[in-house]
Amino acid sequence: NAGVTQTPKFRVLKTGQSMTLLCAQDMNHEYMYWYRQDPGMGLRLIHYSVGEGTTAKGEVPDGYNVSRLKKQNFLLGLESAAPSQTSVYFCASSFGHAHDTQYFGPGTRLTVL
Amino acid sequence: GQQVMQIPQYQHVQEGEDFTTYCNSSTTLSNIQWYKQRPGGHPVFLIQLVKSGEVKKQKRLTFQFGEAKKNSSLHITATQTTDVGTYFCAGGVNTPLVFGKGTRLSVIA
Repeated sequence: NAGVTQTPKFRVLKTGQSMTLLCAQDMNHEYMYWYRQDPGMGLRLIHYSVGEGTTAKGEVPDGYNVSRLKKQNFLLGLESAAPSQTSVYFCASSFGHAHDTQYFGPGTRLTVL
Repeated sequence: GQQVMQIPQYQHVQEGEDFTTYCNSSTTLSNIQWYKQRPGGHPVFLIQLVKSGEVKKQKRLTFQFGEAKKNSSLHITATQTTDVGTYFCAGGVNTPLVFGKGTRLSVIA
C-alpha cells in the first residue's frame, strides 16, 4: 500500500498562474482533507470531503477549489496563484469519521513568485 | 469557532531532560489526538484519547486527557535526539479535527 501520495512534490509558480495538486489514497478512506502549513501557523484546513462527489469548506478556503470525482482522489486547484499562497500543502485521509485518525501525504512545497 | 491552543510554541531541552506540551480547547472534545512531524516530514499519528481522565503511555511518552475533556498533555521522559520535531494535538466535536499550532521540540545533545 502506498498510503497517501501527492503530486507534485515541489512547484514554483508566477503570480496569476493556475495549477492543480493531486492527492491519491489507496486505503478506501471516505474522508479526505487539504491543509496548508505555514511557519508558526500549524495546520490549517482548506477544504475537505466526506465522500465521493462531496466537498466542504474548511478554515481557509478562499482562493482554492477542490473536486472529488473519484473516491481515491482529491484535487486542489489554484485558479490565480498569489504570493500569499506560498506554503506547504498536505493532503490527508481518514476512514469513516471526521474524528478518525488522519493519514498524511508527504506534502507539496509551493512557491508563488 | 472551535479553537485548540497549544503551548509552548518552542522548547529547547538538553538530551535527557523531560519535556511537556499542553493543549487546551475552547469546547469539550469528543476525543483528542496527538501527531508528530519530523523536520521536513509530514504529521504522523501517535495516539488518540477518548475517555475523561484517560492516561496512555508509549515507552517514554505519556499522554493525558483532562477530566473535563477540554485539555490534554504530552510528556516525554528523558528526551533523546530522536524526539526532535513538532508535536501537534488535534481535537474535534462536530467538525473535522482542529489542529493546534504545535510545539517544536529541539534536543541538544
